[in-house]
Amino acid sequence: EDQVTQSPEALRLQEGESSSLNCSYTVSGLRGLFWYRQDPGKGPEFLFTLYSAGEEKEKERLKATLTKKESFLHITAPKPEDSATYLCAVNSGYSTLTFGKGTMLLVSP
Amino acid sequence: NAGVTQTPKFQVLKTGQSMTLQCAQDMNHEYMSWYRQDPGMGLRLIHYSVGAGITDQGEVPNGYNVSRSTTEDFPLRLLSAAPSQTSVYFCASSFRTGDYGYTFGSGTRLTVV
Repeated sequence: EDQVTQSPEALRLQEGESSSLNCSYTVSGLRGLFWYRQDPGKGPEFLFTLYSAGEEKEKERLKATLTKKESFLHITAPKPEDSATYLCAVNSGYSTLTFGKGTMLLVSP
Repeated sequence: NAGVTQTPKFQVLKTGQSMTLQCAQDMNHEYMSWYRQDPGMGLRLIHYSVGAGITDQGEVPNGYNVSRSTTEDFPLRLLSAAPSQTSVYFCASSFRTGDYGYTFGSGTRLTVV
């Protein structure tokens, strides 16, 4: 059974204070690890897909990395508009996703 | 190009009532799926489809029914609503490979009283 564990559950940062979110996973055969951003009252918004250990992807202040057991979402010099819940998910079958419970990020000005 | 459209956005049902949550996508995606999101539980897969006429169960399928008669539409039916089905429901779609991620709808917030 696929499992995804995200930590921390919640994170409060000051504007400009860089940090990382963790996603640990166990899966029989990884066919993609996904990061999503979710704002209150909205559906998840796709950020990145990673496929193999060592892969990295960047988008503005966000950089996602992947190892054989975990993924990190690094947030560099965050701004208040980066406040959201960040979701990690793995795909190991018919393009269905197994999600973690998310990390709620709050960036204060 | 509207993406994934879910209707209604909000719904209140009485226990025992039935209803259909609608999901439509205009991106010619082969794969579609339904998730429910509950506080502290994360997103959980209810049912999914890999193409028209093909559906399968996910992690929490009991009390729900689906069909996929066209590529564009994937409705979710609640057969006899129960308070445990109070949740936010999301529909998602993707190309076969999933390379470009899964596009989610904006959700339906359902309350069963």
